[in-house]
Amino acid sequence: DAEITQSPRHKITETGRQVTLACHQTWNHNNMFWYRQDLGHGLRLIHYSYGVHDTNKGEVSDGYSVSRSNTEDLPLTLESAASSQTSVYFCASSPDGRSYGYTFGSGTRLTVV
Amino acid sequence: GESVGLHLPTLSVQEGDNSIINCAYSNSASDYFIWYKQESGKGPQFIIDIRSNMDKRQGQRVTVLLNKTVKHLSLQIAATQPGDSAVYFCAERQGAQKLVFGQGTRLTINP
Repeated sequence: DAEITQSPRHKITETGRQVTLACHQTWNHNNMFWYRQDLGHGLRLIHYSYGVHDTNKGEVSDGYSVSRSNTEDLPLTLESAASSQTSVYFCASSPDGRSYGYTFGSGTRLTVV
Repeated sequence: GESVGLHLPTLSVQEGDNSIINCAYSNSASDYFIWYKQESGKGPQFIIDIRSNMDKRQGQRVTVLLNKTVKHLSLQIAATQPGDSAVYFCAERQGAQKLVFGQGTRLTINP
């Protein structure tokens, strides 16, 4: 069965370190998204991609980067982790078309100490 | 900026009763809306969607109502069960594929 997987599920890192969160989908979806979820803020969009080599900034993109070298993967990199980036991160994908929702991964809980 | 919001952050209902979760949106140009359910420790899960050319759509035990005049969206869950306990998010499509999510409503079921 097709799926979307995130790894790791939990990560603890130190302030200033570079961290990469993985997202892999086998739906063959062109569109992929990264959100962070914090209490009081719901889901906020970090970066998104509409296809290979396409990347776009969301509303909270500062301190994050993504790259899309193939259809299946959209890794999220925190260039220099900060305590404010402690959060739960969700990856999602969707097919093209105007009437489709997202399929979400199970999330990565990141703690920056 | 334009945003999607929710009227109530928490909702507590008796098992077997119907639940209604509300959502207000501000972008009158939005043409597609989705409700998601998120259980503890899991990612959001698609429940039901509706396009702006519809007023109502029904699924299994769930109904979504869209009132474009007042920019209001609601999710009705019939005969609420313990497994319905979760946080429910409405989402609004902005741009080609981008969704904007509301804050979420936590639904608690009392036995």
